[in-house]
Amino acid sequence: DSGVTQTPKHLITATGQRVTLRCSPRSGDLSVYWYQQSLDQGLQFLIQYYNGEERAKGNILERFSAQQFPDLHSELNLSSLELGDSALYFCASSINTGPLHFGNGTRLTVT
Amino acid sequence: AQRVTQPEKLLSVFKGAPVELKCNYSYSGSPELFWYVQYSRQRLQLLLRHISRESIKGFTADLNKGETSFHLKKPFAQEEDSAMYYCALSANTGNQFYFGTGTSLTVIP
Repeated sequence: DSGVTQTPKHLITATGQRVTLRCSPRSGDLSVYWYQQSLDQGLQFLIQYYNGEERAKGNILERFSAQQFPDLHSELNLSSLELGDSALYFCASSINTGPLHFGNGTRLTVT
Repeated sequence: AQRVTQPEKLLSVFKGAPVELKCNYSYSGSPELFWYVQYSRQRLQLLLRHISRESIKGFTADLNKGETSFHLKKPFAQEEDSAMYYCALSANTGNQFYFGTGTSLTVIP
């Protein structure tokens, strides 16, 4: 157990819908990272937050947004969903430096 | 620019044979390098970090600054080593991480 909690584990929704994925980092970790892993694209970095502030942005679509709250949990919002958004979404956390600790992921299926 | 390259997308070895998963990086500063393992599309788990210089599950990796490489090695592969392996680089500024595209290792019984 990495200490990073992601909910829900599975999500099935229809095209055009909006979903919210939730992540609670390890106790004491200030940084939260979001990654998308699809079958054909590998691990894609989406966005990083540090202590509530956006620190780095990767290949995140405009339809996607994220935030980190004062209690350090983070949410990833995916809207106007398309079939191609079906993927595993991982959250990871770290202290200011050091390795990433990954959650178990949310498996999103868009039908 | 920071970049991590894993040249092999797929790698198959027989049980008991040595295995080496290649990782090359480009970075202008002093990076920290990691190997992560992912079994059956579960969560990524930290396998090794170069600064700790330890051996986990029989795997080792040495940072070669001259060749800018951080190859992962194991002398005798086991079936349970079959997994996806990701090499990652952490930049000093802001703890940004850069992952390679991963190598899928299959150990043949």
